[in-house]
Amino acid sequence: AQKVTQAQTEISVVEKEDVTLDCVYETRDTTYYLFWYKQPPSGELVFLIRRNSFDEQNEISGRYSWNFQKSTSSFNFTITASQVVDSAVYFCALTPTGGFKTIFGAGTRLFVKA
Amino acid sequence: DVKVTQSSRYLVKRTGEKVFLECVQDMDHENMFWYRQDPGLGLRLIYFSYDVKMKEKGDIPEGYSVSREKKERFSLILESASTNQTSMYLCASSLSLGTDTQYFGPGTRLTVL
Repeated sequence: AQKVTQAQTEISVVEKEDVTLDCVYETRDTTYYLFWYKQPPSGELVFLIRRNSFDEQNEISGRYSWNFQKSTSSFNFTITASQVVDSAVYFCALTPTGGFKTIFGAGTRLFVKA
Repeated sequence: DVKVTQSSRYLVKRTGEKVFLECVQDMDHENMFWYRQDPGLGLRLIYFSYDVKMKEKGDIPEGYSVSREKKERFSLILESASTNQTSMYLCASSLSLGTDTQYFGPGTRLTVL
């Protein structure tokens, strides 16, 4: 069975703090893709990153970075020097290669206070 | 940029009414999806379509049907709305199934009274 767990329901930080959003997944598939999406208050999910299971390199994009560890089935997302505009719900998701269904985690709501 | 639009941002209906939620994408994507989003449950797939007139059930299809007569348009139909269908409904599209990024619309918040 496929499952994505985001254990942190809500996180609250003060602006400029670093924050890490956890994502742990379960799958029996040997190849798969992992995603992170951001849902700001406007409601529309915005794509942040896609990672192939073969590629365990960490990625950095500006203030965002992702740590993929296949050994622990985790794909964590870190925001450095958080800003108020980072306030949103963040979803981690998993799709088996060749599959049609994307499994989403329950989401983590991030509040960044000024 | 991919644009996915949904016909309404907010909708209020009465129990037993037939409800149509429309979704249109402008990037010639093959695949379209309908999800519902509920607190603590994330997004759950209701139906998806990989081609015109083709549809597949997702995880929670009961009480819903879909229609895809044209490539760019995917409709979700609640034949007889019930209060437990009060939710946020999100439409998405993607170029290829599974591994490709999905692009989402702004969502329709449906309240069934």
